[in-house]
Amino acid sequence: EIVLTQSPGTLFLSPGERATLSCRASQRVGSSYLHWYQQKRGQAPRLLIYATSSRATGIPDRFSGSGSGTDFTLTISRLEPEDFAVYHCQHYGVSLTFGGGTQVEIK
Amino acid sequence: EVQLVQSGAEVKKPGESLKISCKGSGYSFSNCWVGWVRQVPGKGLEWMGNIYPGDSQTSYSSSFGGHVTISADESLSTAYLQWSSLDASDTAMYYCARRGTSMIAFDIWGQGTLVTVSS
Repeated sequence: EIVLTQSPGTLFLSPGERATLSCRASQRVGSSYLHWYQQKRGQAPRLLIYATSSRATGIPDRFSGSGSGTDFTLTISRLEPEDFAVYHCQHYGVSLTFGGGTQVEIK
Repeated sequence: EVQLVQSGAEVKKPGESLKISCKGSGYSFSNCWVGWVRQVPGKGLEWMGNIYPGDSQTSYSSSFGGHVTISADESLSTAYLQWSSLDASDTAMYYCARRGTSMIAFDIWGQGTLVTVSS
């Protein structure tokens, strides 16, 4: 089973700043199978980025994903107030796994 | 509108059985995998298993297989997650989610069902 490790656990930033979130896999994963979800407090997760770098429907272009092999990154270019949330990466393979999540909090 | 609507919150005692549901609408329910995901309060997401409603093929996480059963009723466009004997450690929010038609990711999520197991 592939283990996903997200870092940092918590990121303290101010609105307007750039956020860089990391997701590291225990073994190589195909780029089509690595995804990111956003979860706001009290809400269900929603798909943000699929297949490493494709934005889901309705997701603004300040969100971008990149990476390959074992190292993947979610970048939020300029944080808006509504972006403060928890972000989860996911590998959707024969067995699915999620990372532990990164919480983006207001500094 | 494509959506998944889950059944309401449940409060159960240890040892009791439970079946929660997830009804799909706005798309061909039979032709999309549906997954179940657990989230213990304050913790991360854990995949439990998937089902393909068209033929009821299932795939379970090794962490949950044997403790839960995933099923589906095509005629009702509904997927189910059930326990035969609950434990306090089953207290969590449970989400269903659809695997997308054009991507291998969960593109639509239900609103969640909170299950509380307490004596």
